[in-house]
Amino acid sequence: GQQVMQIPQYQHVQEGEDFTTYCNSSTTLSNIQWYKQRPGGHPVFLIQLVKSGEVKKQKRLTFQFGEAKKNSSLHITATQTTDVGTYFCAALIRQGAQKLVFGQGTRLTINP
Amino acid sequence: DAGVTQSPTHLIKTRGQQVTLRCSPKSGHDTVSWYQQALGQGPQFIFQYYEEEERQRGNFPDRFSGHQFPNYSSELNVNALLLGDSALYLCASSFRDRGVNEQFFGPGTRLTVL
Repeated sequence: GQQVMQIPQYQHVQEGEDFTTYCNSSTTLSNIQWYKQRPGGHPVFLIQLVKSGEVKKQKRLTFQFGEAKKNSSLHITATQTTDVGTYFCAALIRQGAQKLVFGQGTRLTINP
Repeated sequence: DAGVTQSPTHLIKTRGQQVTLRCSPKSGHDTVSWYQQALGQGPQFIFQYYEEEERQRGNFPDRFSGHQFPNYSSELNVNALLLGDSALYLCASSFRDRGVNEQFFGPGTRLTVL
């Protein structure tokens, strides 16, 4: 079945440093979604990318969808302690119904 | 406007027992999906309910079953619990025909099987 691989599994940075997480699929994706899960919390939707080569920005967060629609990335500029959490990419699969296939997530910790 | 709510928040069961988890979707949403999240892993899709029917199922055994009620709320039932069923169970709601298929997750039910 559909699999989405995400790297790195963990990332520890100093506050103010940048952070990037990558998501890869062996098959072409119709779209990719990104979620953030704070420690002890639940996934919260950040964004959906649909078009090949699409780039979207939300303040310090930049999301990209690859030209071949097989990979995606999330880049955070100048991290803040509020960015701590696990970031998941998820492919939205439409086969009759809809389901999200999540990557393993990248856990971001920040040294203040 | 209440978001997605789930009950109970925590549950401890022993092997072989049965459990029922409940979910109320966000107001205006008609579709409920259930996910299992093991510690340190991404959520895994269990199944989705729409119009009171199971529409799609992930790779989970028949011990996992569900139901959706006319008010769109949903239940997840797990029979013959195994130690490996210990996880955070997340409910996510959405509106089926909306263009951006954002899933709104509830706070989850933490199930521990001893």
